[in-house]
Amino acid sequence: GDSVTQMEGPVTLSEEAFLTINCTYTATGYPSLFWYVQYPGEGLQLLLKATKADDKGSNKGFEATYRKETTSFHLEKGSVQVSDSAVYFCALSKTSYDKVIFGPGTSLSVIP
Amino acid sequence: NAGVTQTPKFQVLKTGQSMTLQCAQDMNHNSMYWYRQDPGMGLRLIYYSASEGTTDKGEVPNGYNVSRLNKREFSLRLESAAPSQTSVYFCASSRGWGGPGLNEKLFFGSGTQLSVL
Repeated sequence: GDSVTQMEGPVTLSEEAFLTINCTYTATGYPSLFWYVQYPGEGLQLLLKATKADDKGSNKGFEATYRKETTSFHLEKGSVQVSDSAVYFCALSKTSYDKVIFGPGTSLSVIP
Repeated sequence: NAGVTQTPKFQVLKTGQSMTLQCAQDMNHNSMYWYRQDPGMGLRLIYYSASEGTTDKGEVPNGYNVSRLNKREFSLRLESAAPSQTSVYFCASSRGWGGPGLNEKLFFGSGTQLSVL
């Protein structure tokens, strides 16, 4: 079945460091790919998305490119801030009759 | 600007007790979902409601029941709580019928932390 795999955390970075969180997927058809972020004590919220191959999603300095050849959607940010400390979930969705599939999440801590 | 509201935020139960988690959305969304979040396992779908009046099982439905009371409200019931149901529960909604599909996003509540002793 369809699935999403993410790099294991927790990830700890110093402020202004470069961030990469790896995400790969297995899916039939042509899914859309998403990154959701969960700040402490809150529900998940959409960070960015890409709906077709080679699309780049971006938001709040984060970027991810939909790579069909490597079935990947890695999340990157050039300079992280303490406020980016959160859990990041990679997810995929297909048609309206399919449910969203989430990866296990990657916890990020940014220290000053 | 409430979005998705869940109650309660925290709950402690003893094994065998029952309770209902409440969820309401004010965005006129058609689909609603209940997820549980466990360390290392991400979010797993318990039940969903593709439209008012319908409910379907997700990945981990055992031990739970749901009711789509109206378009706004979707409740999750634990009839006889077990320690394995200790988790964080999230309600979510999306605009489309059946699921968010290719272009929509899920809107989440802030979660209910449930402990079953």
